[in-house]
Amino acid sequence: DAGITQSPRHKVTETGTPVTLRCHQTENHRYMYWYRQDPGHGLRLIHYSYGVKDTDKGEVSDGYSVSRSKTEDFLLTLESATSSQTSVYFCATGTSGTRDEQFFGPGTRLTVL
Amino acid sequence: GESVGLHLPTLSVQEGDNSIINCAYSNSASDYFIWYKQESGKGPQFIIDIRSNMDKRQGQRVTVLLNKTVKHLSLQIAATQPGDSAVYFCAETLNNAGNMLTFGGGTRLMVKP
Repeated sequence: DAGITQSPRHKVTETGTPVTLRCHQTENHRYMYWYRQDPGHGLRLIHYSYGVKDTDKGEVSDGYSVSRSKTEDFLLTLESATSSQTSVYFCATGTSGTRDEQFFGPGTRLTVL
Repeated sequence: GESVGLHLPTLSVQEGDNSIINCAYSNSASDYFIWYKQESGKGPQFIIDIRSNMDKRQGQRVTVLLNKTVKHLSLQIAATQPGDSAVYFCAETLNNAGNMLTFGGGTRLMVKP
């Protein structure tokens, strides 16, 4: 898993509560990504980061924000969780911004009731 | 790790046979493609990649074929083993900043002993 950990691994929360998921990497990779995985949709990019304090939106960014204050940590925040955000969330890292593989973490299962 | 119970197309093969998993990609401008393997409870794992200036690339027991004319990608696994049982995703990217990958819906490979 290229030294990628995600926390928590499982979370159950209620609609309207804030939730923060953490991704931590030990590989010093410049690029970090947050994906969600849902039945029928495969993996979809939420946000990504191309350096400390540098982030950009992905395909499904509405309702999510991210922050990256250190190379090794990338946080995903749901400001007010909704049931549609029930999903499995994967963090990934990459060394290059173009044409290169991404390394994935083990995932976090989030359930919003 | 985590996985998602996806309702996926399924390919069932006998151990020792060759497997071919197909993928139709969406963007004719995509210039880099990756195959990932996702085992139950884990994050996606890189298998092989190919750039658009190639039509074939071989790895250990795996071959990726790219047909840009019909926007089709295939993954061939030789002498399929029980450990190959997993969900396989293709992903494409444009030559854009951030290396944003767009994933296909996935195919479940089941290997019968």
